Amino acid sequence: GQNIDQPTEMTATEGAIVQINCTYQTSGFNGLFWYQQHAGEAPTFLSYNVLDGLEEKGRFSSFLSRSKGYSYLLLKELQMKDSASYLCASVDSNYQLIWGAGTKLIIKP
Amino acid sequence: KAGVTQTPRYLIKTRGQQVTLSCSPISGHRSVSWYQQTPGQGLQFLFEYFSETQRNKGNFPGRFSGRQFSNSRSEMNVSTLELGDSALYLCASSPWSIGKVTEAFFGQGTRLTVV
Repeated sequence: GQNIDQPTEMTATEGAIVQINCTYQTSGFNGLFWYQQHAGEAPTFLSYNVLDGLEEKGRFSSFLSRSKGYSYLLLKELQMKDSASYLCASVDSNYQLIWGAGTKLIIKP
Repeated sequence: KAGVTQTPRYLIKTRGQQVTLSCSPISGHRSVSWYQQTPGQGLQFLFEYFSETQRNKGNFPGRFSGRQFSNSRSEMNVSTLELGDSALYLCASSPWSIGKVTEAFFGQGTRLTVV
């Protein structure tokens, strides 16, 4: 079966760094997306990885290891506005997005 | 460029009723996907339409159906509503084409409450 696992909730302190992990098992693999969703709002695109390695985009970076079926989203210099849910989605062989349940990130002052 | 528009934003229905939700994708996007989002289950895929044809379908009962019109606008219908259907229903459009990975753009969702 197809499965995406990510932690349900994480807490971090303003100004710190947090890493949100995602493991996936899908039939075929055509890349992995990370989305951010603030409460009551639509999910918005953060990153897409298809090759192994780290991709940096400002305070946010995303890492992929295809051999391990593993990705993480790294958020640096955390700000209160980063409090949101972070959704991981793998693209399967049919180019369908398979979504994780999301990780709720709580930032404390 | 206008974003993905979903109507209505909020809906309260009684058990046993049916409901129709609407989604207007970003202009030029021919792929529309529907998702159910609940606190415990996260985003659950309902179905995807491309050029008026259902391309993929998730594991939901037949009470959930959808369609797409020639202008790419899509509707989803839920018949014989159950309390467990209470959720946020999200629509996403993308410029998807065969063999291509594309970003999905989400609407604000329709929050359905079944009482």
